[in-house]
Amino acid sequence: AQTVTQSQPEMSVQEAETVTLSCTYDTSESDYYLFWYKQPPSRQMILVIRQEAYKQQNATENRFSVNFQKAAKSFSLKISDSQLGDAAMYFCAYRSGAGGGADGLTFGKGTHLIIQP
Amino acid sequence: ETGVTQTPRHLVMGMTNKKSLKCEQHLGHNAMYWYKQSAKKPLELMFVYNFKEQTENNSVPSRFSPECPNSSHLFLHLHTLQPEDSALYLCASSQVGQPTGEQYFGPGTRLTVT
Repeated sequence: AQTVTQSQPEMSVQEAETVTLSCTYDTSESDYYLFWYKQPPSRQMILVIRQEAYKQQNATENRFSVNFQKAAKSFSLKISDSQLGDAAMYFCAYRSGAGGGADGLTFGKGTHLIIQP
Repeated sequence: ETGVTQTPRHLVMGMTNKKSLKCEQHLGHNAMYWYKQSAKKPLELMFVYNFKEQTENNSVPSRFSPECPNSSHLFLHLHTLQPEDSALYLCASSQVGQPTGEQYFGPGTRLTVT
């Protein structure tokens, strides 16, 4: 079974600064997908960024980028120019590529990101 | 309505009650999911439906009974729950066949079992 580990229960960053959230995962599969989701106080899970394991290029979405290290099974999220609206729980998630597409996500425990004004 | 909707948003029920949670997706997706988010555990997958067929039951107790009448609607029927079943129940949908198959979530139903 796959596992996802987020070792930072809480992180704090000054507004406009850059912060990196860590995620490692364990799998024996070669085909899989990785995601970062954001859950603000409203509890709505919002997809932040996605990465296909077969792609070497790191995904970027505006101020959000990942550092995907496949050999190390590491998938960190970098948030540049942090904004107050970025304050939320961030979850790293893994999806197997073996199930034809309808595969459940395996989540880490989450990192609570605090933005200091 | 857009995205994934869930009703009710909050539910309080006794251990002997029977209630149902409803999820509807307006994204044209063909797979739907139930997840449980409790304070003490990471998000847990409960059930997966692919084209209305249940493809995964993650060892969920029988007091939770899912139903997927079509690819847009998903229900979770609840009966004789326990206080430890109090949690946020999240529904999600995705499009099978899309390369990354990312899942889109509803706002959740906050369930309290008394």
